[in-house]
Amino acid sequence: EAGVTQFPSHSVIEKGQTVTLRCDPISGHDNLYWYRRVMGKEIKFLLHFVKESKQDESGMPNNRFLAERTGGTYSTLKVQPAELEDSGVYFCASSQGRSSGTLGETQYFGPGTRLLVL
Amino acid sequence: KQEVTQIPAALSVPEGENLVLNCSFTDSAIYNLQWFRQDPGKGLTSLLLIQSSQREQTSGRLNASLDKSSGRSTLYIAASQPGDSATYLCARDSSNTGKLIFGQGTTLQVKP
Repeated sequence: EAGVTQFPSHSVIEKGQTVTLRCDPISGHDNLYWYRRVMGKEIKFLLHFVKESKQDESGMPNNRFLAERTGGTYSTLKVQPAELEDSGVYFCASSQGRSSGTLGETQYFGPGTRLLVL
Repeated sequence: KQEVTQIPAALSVPEGENLVLNCSFTDSAIYNLQWFRQDPGKGLTSLLLIQSSQREQTSGRLNASLDKSSGRSTLYIAASQPGDSATYLCARDSSNTGKLIFGQGTTLQVKP
């Protein structure tokens, strides 16, 4: 079974440009999460999808970030326009989504996208 | 305020030693606690998940415990090996939505 995949693995862009990150969760997983780790800080939650719906987007830094999950399958995270402080590693994770909710579910992480904004 | 704290930040031990990594959290309303491993330049690999009703989980040489009353979790690694060298992260989920709050990690080096 394929794990969570993310594309691209690395991205270097200039301030003001747009970047779109993609995440393909494990097939059949309803829950999809985005997290981010900026230099020297802990990994922080950005948002959570249940299928195609945004369940919690409390961690999104500002309106320059837009996440979508078309048809409840893959997800994209767009940063427009990118700023220097957006540099970091963006992780995607997925979990199955049992009928009892997310309680006690293991989240499976992708390898991350390393974003550098110059 | 750091909600999840991991001590020490870095640890170096000789091969074969047993070791304990610590994780403390400020909010005792916890649903589950997950330990991850991250190798340099790689993603996170889930090691163990402890549900709130459990006190510990074991997988091979790893044992994780959870004490909600004291707000602490430990990851015990028995008979450490150089291949155990990595950063270990703990994360708690207190919202029942899967939103994980991470510590900053402990970077472990096991010397041959």
